Amino acid sequence: QQQVKQSPQSLIVQKGGISIINCAYENTAFDYFPWYQQFPGKGPALLIAIRPDVSEKKEGRFTISFNKSAKQFSLHIMDSQPGDSATYFCAASNRGSTLGRLYFGRGTQLTVWP
Amino acid sequence: GAGVSQSPSNKVTEKGKDVELRCDPISGHTALYWYRQSLGQGLEFLIYFQGNSAPDKSGLPSDRFSAERTGGSVSTLTIQRTQQEDSAVYLCASYKSQTNTEAFFGQGTRLTVV
Repeated sequence: QQQVKQSPQSLIVQKGGISIINCAYENTAFDYFPWYQQFPGKGPALLIAIRPDVSEKKEGRFTISFNKSAKQFSLHIMDSQPGDSATYFCAASNRGSTLGRLYFGRGTQLTVWP
Repeated sequence: GAGVSQSPSNKVTEKGKDVELRCDPISGHTALYWYRQSLGQGLEFLIYFQGNSAPDKSGLPSDRFSAERTGGSVSTLTIQRTQQEDSAVYLCASYKSQTNTEAFFGQGTRLTVV
């Protein structure tokens, strides 16, 4: 059973546009929600993360929006650039259980056209 | 080293052969995870180490899979009698401690079983 559901599977955006990737979860015990960015041939790297006591977190062009009641969170990439083309994974964990085991979405392949 | 190192980067093996995949975590990181990444399937949890012990092996798909960690550092994932469905990228991640939630991933080992 997929604990974290991610959409869309692929996304094509024009340079300068906004990329939006959505995730949903069921387990209300999750208390940490990171996004990972993966380039071909590389391992995933932490991009940005949020905890459920805040509704939004912004780091540069990347923003996480978090809706605890709906059990949804999303990644917004503002002013998308060709260098942002990568696969993005949302994830969730319960830090008090299994000590950091991450449950991943299936990934979104983002392509930003110049 | 500065990051998590995995070897080999690529491994092609014949069906039925055994393979060993190695992970060198970041020095001083106590927690280590193995994940498997199959095309379009996201990252699937395999096993978690805290020090040399494995409190959670629930993700190992069959008894052909085993893993160990020695000296609280290097970990080896062994797959016996490989099958074609074992073909995937195997990723290792390390965490600084039980309370630090950022996972640092290696570049992965791409295993192809022919």
